Amino acid sequence: DAGVTQSPTHLIKTRGQQVTLRCSPKSGHDTVSWYQQALGQGPQFIFQYYEEEERQRGNFPDRFSGHQYPNYSSELNVNALLLGDSALYLCASSLASLGTQYFGPGTRLLVL
Amino acid sequence: SQQGEEDPQALSIQEGENATMNCSYKTSINNLQWYRQNSGRGLVHLILIRSNEREKHSGRLRVTLDTSKKSSSLLITASRAADTASYFCATEPNTGNQFYFGTGTSLTVIP
Repeated sequence: DAGVTQSPTHLIKTRGQQVTLRCSPKSGHDTVSWYQQALGQGPQFIFQYYEEEERQRGNFPDRFSGHQYPNYSSELNVNALLLGDSALYLCASSLASLGTQYFGPGTRLLVL
Repeated sequence: SQQGEEDPQALSIQEGENATMNCSYKTSINNLQWYRQNSGRGLVHLILIRSNEREKHSGRLRVTLDTSKKSSSLLITASRAADTASYFCATEPNTGNQFYFGTGTSLTVIP
């Protein structure tokens, strides 16, 4: 049973560019959440997707957008990248009603 | 900020000793979870405690929850070098479908 997978593992972009990160949830999970973790900090909630809809959103600008597909996989898109967007981006999946979130290994994004 | 806070920020102990870290949070919660993270990698779920529970055990882990004080503690008994990692608490408030993570405790277990 595969756990949560994310791609790519590492990414380097320049300011102003756009990036798409991908996540496949744990088998049987229908809810995907995305987090941003800056170096030395705890993860910050970006948003959560359930039934292909954004169900909850954290305090992130509209440059951060997402999508969930019918197979529950998800994408995180970030437009007009800033240096401050450099971070580890974590995807977590869960069953909507159970609460426990299982995290992927993350995508490390560096913006130059 | 609704983010929780772990205390201490860093902890260094000898192998075999017990490690205790604390988490304080601000809002009413459905549950609180503890996670471990090794060197900037993905988070590993350790234990979940619901708001109506006061204590929970899992192997060498013991978690307590005091909702009146809005605080939780994680005790790792008989620590091992492999327990070296950052530990985070995450709260699920009863008002929404998101988790709020604390700032983390960096634990170093010296062999």
